[in-house]
Amino acid sequence: DSGVTQTPKHLITATGQRVTLRCSPRSGDLSVYWYQQSLDQGLQFLIQYYNGEERAKGNILERFSAQQFPDLHSELNLSSLELGDSALYFCASSVKNTFSYNSPLHFGNGTRLTVT
Amino acid sequence: GQNIDQPTEMTATEGAIVQINCTYQTSGFNGLFWYQQHAGEAPTFLSYNVLDGLEEKGRFSSFLSRSKGYSYLLLKELQMKDSASYLCAPPSYSGAGSYQLTFGKGTKLSVIP
Repeated sequence: DSGVTQTPKHLITATGQRVTLRCSPRSGDLSVYWYQQSLDQGLQFLIQYYNGEERAKGNILERFSAQQFPDLHSELNLSSLELGDSALYFCASSVKNTFSYNSPLHFGNGTRLTVT
Repeated sequence: GQNIDQPTEMTATEGAIVQINCTYQTSGFNGLFWYQQHAGEAPTFLSYNVLDGLEEKGRFSSFLSRSKGYSYLLLKELQMKDSASYLCAPPSYSGAGSYQLTFGKGTKLSVIP
């Protein structure tokens, strides 16, 4: 158990809808990262927050948004959903906004989103 | 941006040794990670190298050459449960004192009896 909690585990919704994925980082971790992994694809970096502030953006669509709250949990909002948005969405956390042996990235178990 | 190059797939026999190579280009070097990911599961941290040389950790070892932009993961005494994807991930500087971790597609290792 990595200590990173993601809810829900599974989500099935229709095209055009909007969903919210939730992530609680490990206790003490200030950085939260969101990744998307489509079938047989690599992990695509979406966005990073550090202590409530957005720090980096990757390949995140304009239909997607995220935020990190004062209690450090984070939410990823996906709107106007399309079939191609079906994927595993991972949240990961780390202690700082830099990395080291003692501060790697720890991943949650992911939310599997199916858009029908 | 950064480029990460790993073989797409490898097959090895149970009990054998396998080496998974990775070449990379990154901005603002901050070490290099290796992660393991079983299908449909979360990636798990295997190793981190920040200095040149070999880091050994049980059956798994990882090597880094910063000047060559090259790393490898060495898996010894392969077990069936080692069948997974192995992801090479060098952090890259994203500004404002922060780094992000970008992954390549990884190497899918199949261990056969």
